[in-house]
Parts: sequence; C-alpha cells; structure tokens
Amino acid sequence: QKEVEQDPGPLSVPEGAIVSLNCTYSNSAFQYFMWYRQYSRKGPELLMYTYSSGNKEDGRFTAQVDKSSKYISLFIRDSQPSDSATYLCAMIGTGGFKTIFGAGTRLFVKA
Amino acid sequence: GAVVSQHPSWVICKSGTSVKIECRSLDFQATTMFWYRQFPKQSLMLMATSNEGSKATYEQGVEKDKFLINHASLTLSTLTVTSAHPEDSSFYICSAAPPHTSDQETQYFGPGTRLLVL
Repeated sequence: QKEVEQDPGPLSVPEGAIVSLNCTYSNSAFQYFMWYRQYSRKGPELLMYTYSSGNKEDGRFTAQVDKSSKYISLFIRDSQPSDSATYLCAMIGTGGFKTIFGAGTRLFVKA
Repeated sequence: GAVVSQHPSWVICKSGTSVKIECRSLDFQATTMFWYRQFPKQSLMLMATSNEGSKATYEQGVEKDKFLINHASLTLSTLTVTSAHPEDSSFYICSAAPPHTSDQETQYFGPGTRLLVL
C-alpha cells in the first residue's frame, strides 16, 4: 500500500465549476499537508499548506485536512482554464524533512 | 518569492556519457537542497538530500555512485548522472529550503531538467 493515494484522473470540468481534489494517506505521523500545482514540463509550485487538521482558505482555493479519516482535500472555486495543471498533494511527518508526494491529479478546465 | 533555477532545462546525450545538472537558489541561501526524479504521470520521488559542506543522503535504492551530488556552496548543488543509460531518462527536479526553517513546506522547486538518453 502506498503511503499516499491520489487518483491520477484526468478530471475534466467546465469553466466556473467547483473542483474537488483528494488524497488519502496511511501514516498517522503526517502533520504537514501541502498542495502543489505543476504545469506541464515545469517544477511544482506550492499552493497551500496546512498544519494538522482543519481548513485553510486562500482566494479561490480551500484546503481541508481530516486527520481522523486520513483524508485531505483541495477545493477550487470558479475554476478557470488557467487552473488546468497537475495537482500534487504532499505531506511530511514529524522529525524529518522527507516529503511524500501523491501521484498527482491532472485537471482540465474547459472554456 | 524565492527563486530556484536549474540548468540545463533539457539535455539529450548519448548512452555512456555523464550529464551534470545545476540547481541554484537565486535570492536566498539554501543549507539544504533536494533532488527528485519524476517519470511521466507519476509523482516526485526523492532521490537524495543535499546539505552544504557534507555528503548527500541518498534514499533507498538510489545508487550514490551513479548519481553524484555536490553541494559546494549555499546557493549551488549539482547532480551528475554518470554513465547515463536510456533508463535514466526522466525529469529531474531540485528544491531548496532556506536556512533556519524547520518545516519542509518552505522548500522551493526549480523548473526541472528533462534528460533524454539515447
């Protein structure tokens, strides 16, 4: 079993839709949870990070962490064609620097 | 925000040759840099952690003699793929963490280097 599971998609939505991206994980030691956006042939760009459980909102993006269910989500409101990219979840446990990434979900937002 | 550059952005080489990839933090000093490898439609896999002035720490299964890492200064780390073979073809991405940070969420990624070994 992978430490982090993420549906690779692709996920195709119309412009303006609300997008929900999710990851599940198995290691209860994870404390920091991040979402990265990666455009084709580019390096990942940090979108959001959350410590422990709870919600965090930044503009059109909302990150949720449910540690009891070992489940994290990223919501994108009013999605735009420019949001088309691969979204990677990532998480870190305590006591170390090693980040574990999900496989990434490819998102296509159609105009 | 902090900027990390990589050079070259893409490289094509013959099998058996060595390729050096540079990772630079442009506007901050990075005591720690990370090297990742990413295959198409797959996640980033950490290859090694590079600390300035000391030997890199390699992840299990990564050949340290094949992937030579040098972190000679606080702004530069290099990855050399020695005797490259077609199976080494991949997208190599570095990231850098500013000093005095305890959380890896502050790592900044470079744009990646695409390597194609013929």
